[in-house]
Amino acid sequence: AQKITQTQPGMFVQEKEAVTLDCTYDTSDQSYGLFWYKQPSSGEMIFLIYQGSYDEQNATEGRYSLNFQKARKSANLVISASQLGDSAMYFCAMREGRGRKLTFGGGTRVLVKP
Amino acid sequence: DGGITQSPKYLFRKEGQNVTLSCEQNLNHDAMYWYRQDPGQGLRLIYYSQIVNDFQKGDIAEGYSVSREKKESFPLTVTSAQKNPTAFYLCASSIMVGVSGANVLTFGAGSRLTVL
Repeated sequence: AQKITQTQPGMFVQEKEAVTLDCTYDTSDQSYGLFWYKQPSSGEMIFLIYQGSYDEQNATEGRYSLNFQKARKSANLVISASQLGDSAMYFCAMREGRGRKLTFGGGTRVLVKP
Repeated sequence: DGGITQSPKYLFRKEGQNVTLSCEQNLNHDAMYWYRQDPGQGLRLIYYSQIVNDFQKGDIAEGYSVSREKKESFPLTVTSAQKNPTAFYLCASSIMVGVSGANVLTFGAGSRLTVL
């Protein structure tokens, strides 16, 4: 079974609008971490935001926020006020238990239209 | 500036040849990783290392080998046993942050390997 599922292969969003990227995960661990990364066309991976399983508040970093719904095992990324530079692939990832490795989802491609 | 350096950026290989991808970090991170990315897909873990002289297989280790003789360096060898080596390879490093253990990975710019 897939540990990280991103069901939206691609989406368009109008500049200055908000967009929500879906991510669901599967784990039996009580302690885990959820991450979002951005990959522009250059190929580098840029860390955006982190949510720990025991964190009660949803994480926020500037225009990025993580909508964490633990019971539904979802960790959706919300990008507010989209900019042309937000056009990229976005990956959700999970760390299980106290391990160090991250498992990545298949990604969602976002294209921001002017 | 601290960061991760991967080389070469582009590499072409003939079938049957081994190639080694370099990864160097000056972030003083203890853990290092190698991921493979195929076009339009997510990242898959090849190998990772948490300390010098120790490493663990990831999900797709067959046909690859690594070494970790120094904290700063984690080279990846793509051997002739890897049946489909054409891909984008990303190296990363990390350090555990905070009580909750936010193991944030910092990535290099990647190496694109093409087998001719």
